[in-house]
Order: sequence, then structure tokens, then C-alpha cells
Amino acid sequence: SQKIEQNSEALNIQEGKTATLTCNYTNYSPAYLQWYRQDPGRGPVFLLLIRENEKEKRKERLKVTFDTTLKQSLFHITASQPADSATYLCALSYSGGGADGLTFGKGTHLIIQP
Amino acid sequence: GAVVSQHPSRVICKSGTSVKIECRSLDFQATTMFWYRQFPKQSLMLMATSNEGSKATYEQGVEKDKFLINHASLTLSTLTVTSAHPEDSSFYICSARDRRAGNTIYFGEGSWLTVV
Repeated sequence: SQKIEQNSEALNIQEGKTATLTCNYTNYSPAYLQWYRQDPGRGPVFLLLIRENEKEKRKERLKVTFDTTLKQSLFHITASQPADSATYLCALSYSGGGADGLTFGKGTHLIIQP
Repeated sequence: GAVVSQHPSRVICKSGTSVKIECRSLDFQATTMFWYRQFPKQSLMLMATSNEGSKATYEQGVEKDKFLINHASLTLSTLTVTSAHPEDSSFYICSARDRRAGNTIYFGEGSWLTVV
């Protein structure tokens, strides 16, 4: 079965630096991949979607890459701020996944320290 | 982006009673909505798919008589937790697929249920 691995431990980054979060998957590549932000006690908020034929996607300070050879997506936050502290989820969409078409990672807890 | 609204955000109910949670897509029509459960520091667990005008599809291990789902319109799905017990206390989240946006899934704000 498909497995998704995200940094299991909290990631501490100094304010102003670039935070890089990793999402690795096994087996076959998804049709597309989505990244979400989730704050404690809140529902996930959609950030970016990248398709398998796209190498990179950007939105303001956010950048997502998708490497189907490495079976990996990287999520970057440049010029990080304490307000960026949250849990970030990657979700893969592929045939055979959940009915919503998504398989979620457990998320990476990002802490931006002032 | 699209907006999905969930209500109530927090609810406390007595053991044995039922509680209803609403999920609305505010600026798009959603023929399909999804309901999840999430325990602290765990990933989202899909419970069921809510289909407009037809019966919901439940994931394995989810009791359909316990978690009643109704999708009465293209913008509203409801989840009713029947005969609630303390072990049903959890964070429930709904989502909807926006086909206008490449099938992006948008989530509601979530509902905290506490059964006392």
C-alpha cells in the first residue's frame, strides 16, 4: 500500500531563514499532490497543488517541488516568520487512494523561532 | 480560494444524546463532500463520503447507524452522531471538492465534540 512519510519530529527554524519540509512516498507517483496548513484545533487550509508533470509551483513565499524520480515533494517557506508556525500536511491523490482521492501524511510540526 | 463552513465549531453533549454537525460549501456546488475524524497529533481519518441525493459511502470500520450522513443539497451535508458516548469525543472535519479548481479539496474549520 502507498505510504507517505513526513518529518515526524518538530522542525525548528530561525525566523528569516528558509524552512524546508519533506514529503516522501512509496510505490507509484500520484496524479497530483497538495499541501495544507493546519493550526491546532482548526481544519486544514489549502496552500498549493502541484501536478505530476509540474516540477515547481510558487505562491508568494511558498514553493513546492515535485520529483517523481526521487518520489519526493519539498515544501519551502522563504523568509519564515513566527506566524508560519503550524503543522503542514502533504496529501497525495492517486487511483486506489481514499474515496476523497487523497492519502494524507501525518504532518510536520514547524516552529519558527523569533 | 473556495470556502467551506462548518458549524458548530464546538459542542458538548450528554452521553446518549445525538448531535448534528453541518458542512456548507459557500461559493461552489459540491456534489461530493467528505467527513473526517482526527485525534490529537494524528492524521486525518476519512470516515465517509457524502453524496448529494444518494446514500453516503462509509469507510471500513465506521458504523453507518452511528454516524448518519445526509446530503440534502449541493451545498449542505450534515453528520449526526447518534447515541453519543465519551469515546466519540473527537475533532470532526468536513471537506468538499471544488471541480472548478482542479479538484482541490477544501476543508471546513472543524468541530470539536465533547461527550460528557
